[in-house]
Amino acid sequence: AQSVSQHNHHVILSEAASLELGCNYSYGGTVNLFWYVQYPGQHLQLLLKYFSGDPLVKGIKGFEAEFIKSKFSFNLRKPSVQWSDTAEYFCAVNARGNTGKLIFGQGTTLQVKP
Amino acid sequence: DTGVSQDPRHKITKRGQNVTFRCDPISEHNRLYWYRQTLGQGPEFLTYFQNEAQLEKSRLLSDRFSAERPKGSFSTLEIQRTEQGDSAMYLCASSFAKRERGTQYFGPGTRLTVL
Repeated sequence: AQSVSQHNHHVILSEAASLELGCNYSYGGTVNLFWYVQYPGQHLQLLLKYFSGDPLVKGIKGFEAEFIKSKFSFNLRKPSVQWSDTAEYFCAVNARGNTGKLIFGQGTTLQVKP
Repeated sequence: DTGVSQDPRHKITKRGQNVTFRCDPISEHNRLYWYRQTLGQGPEFLTYFQNEAQLEKSRLLSDRFSAERPKGSFSTLEIQRTEQGDSAMYLCASSFAKRERGTQYFGPGTRLTVL
C-alpha cells in the first residue's frame, strides 16, 4: 500500500532562515508528487508538482522541491522564509495511471517568527 | 471565483442525525474526490467519481456514508446516523483527467461537529 511520511511535524524558524521539509513515500511504481499548503483559515492550495523530467521543480512563492528517485523523497525547500509562510504543508502522491486519488502525509506545521 | 465550492462550511449536528454536504467542482472538471481530514492529520481519501460514475470507495466509507454525482456536475455526501467519530473536515477536490496529469484542486471544506 502507498504511504507518505513527513518527518517534521512542527517547525519553528525565524524570518530569513532556510527551510527544508522532508517527505518520503512508499510505492513501487511511478508516481506523481505534490506539495500543498494550507494557510490559516484558508483551503488547501497547490504549491508545486512533479510529474517527470527535471527533478528540481519550482513552485509559487519561491518554493522548490527535489525528487530523488533512489531515496523515494520529495523534499520541499525555500532559501529564505517569510512570516507569511506560516502554514501547514502537506506532501502527497498518486500512482500514475490510476484513479488519481492522493495519499497525503500527516503534514508539517511551519511557524515563522518575525 | 471559479474554484471548488462546498456548502455548508460548518455543520453542527447531534449524534444520530443525518447530514448532507454539497460540492460544486470547477467547471468542466470530470473527476471529483471526497476526502476527510481530522486534526493533526493529512486528508484521507473517501471516494472518487469520474463524471457520474462512482469508481472507487475507501474502506473508510462505511455503509452510513453515501455519495452521489447525479449529472456529473455537483456531488453530495450524506452521512446517516452520525457518530461523534464522524467529526472532521470533509474536503472535496476536482480535476480534469487529461490536463495537468489530473492535478486536484480543493474546496474550502465542510467542518462537521457531532455532539
